[in-house]
Amino acid sequence: GENVEQHPSTLSVQEGDSAVIKCTYSDSASNYFPWYKQELGKRPQLIIDIRSNVGEKKDQRIAVTLNKTAKHFSLHITETQPEDSAVYFCAASRGSSASKIIFGSGTRLSIRP
Amino acid sequence: DTGVSQNPRHKITKRGQNVTFRCDPISEHNRLYWYRQTLGQGPEFLTYFQNEAQLEKSRLLSDRFSAERPKGSFSTLEIQRTEQGDSAMYLCASTKDSGYTGELFFGEGSRLTVL
Repeated sequence: GENVEQHPSTLSVQEGDSAVIKCTYSDSASNYFPWYKQELGKRPQLIIDIRSNVGEKKDQRIAVTLNKTAKHFSLHITETQPEDSAVYFCAASRGSSASKIIFGSGTRLSIRP
Repeated sequence: DTGVSQNPRHKITKRGQNVTFRCDPISEHNRLYWYRQTLGQGPEFLTYFQNEAQLEKSRLLSDRFSAERPKGSFSTLEIQRTEQGDSAMYLCASTKDSGYTGELFFGEGSRLTVL
């Protein structure tokens, strides 16, 4: 069945440094890969997504890269700030009109001042 | 507030009782998902609807769980004969079908505690 594995489960970086979170997926038909951020006590919210027709996408300090051959994708956060502290979830979907979205187990990112 | 609304926000029940959660999606969203989230884990897929049709139900979901979306608007998730292992946050999310999967808009969740 479909599975998304995410690592590390926890990550602590110095403010200003970069953070990288990695995910692998099992369903080779997956072609939509969103990332969600969940702050403590709040609902998950989409921060960036990528479709399989591109290898990289950037939005200010965040970027996502995709390697379809290896079936893995990564989230990169540069110049980290205290407000980046949260739990980040990767997800994968087939992307078609009727597709479920499978989430990874999450990475708790802490930014040290 | 035009976001996804879930009720009740918190439910405490005794083992063996039935519980029902309601989700009101964003009005123009025709796709609705239910997820379960436990502490330190990602949202676990339960089921999803396209309008009133339930398209898929997780194989991990026992027969005690049932979901409906009778008129293609709000949805209910019922858990019969609750067990302590059912304690979790139940998240609802909706999205608009644009021909491809897009951003999920989550509700604040319904937290279930089974004693």
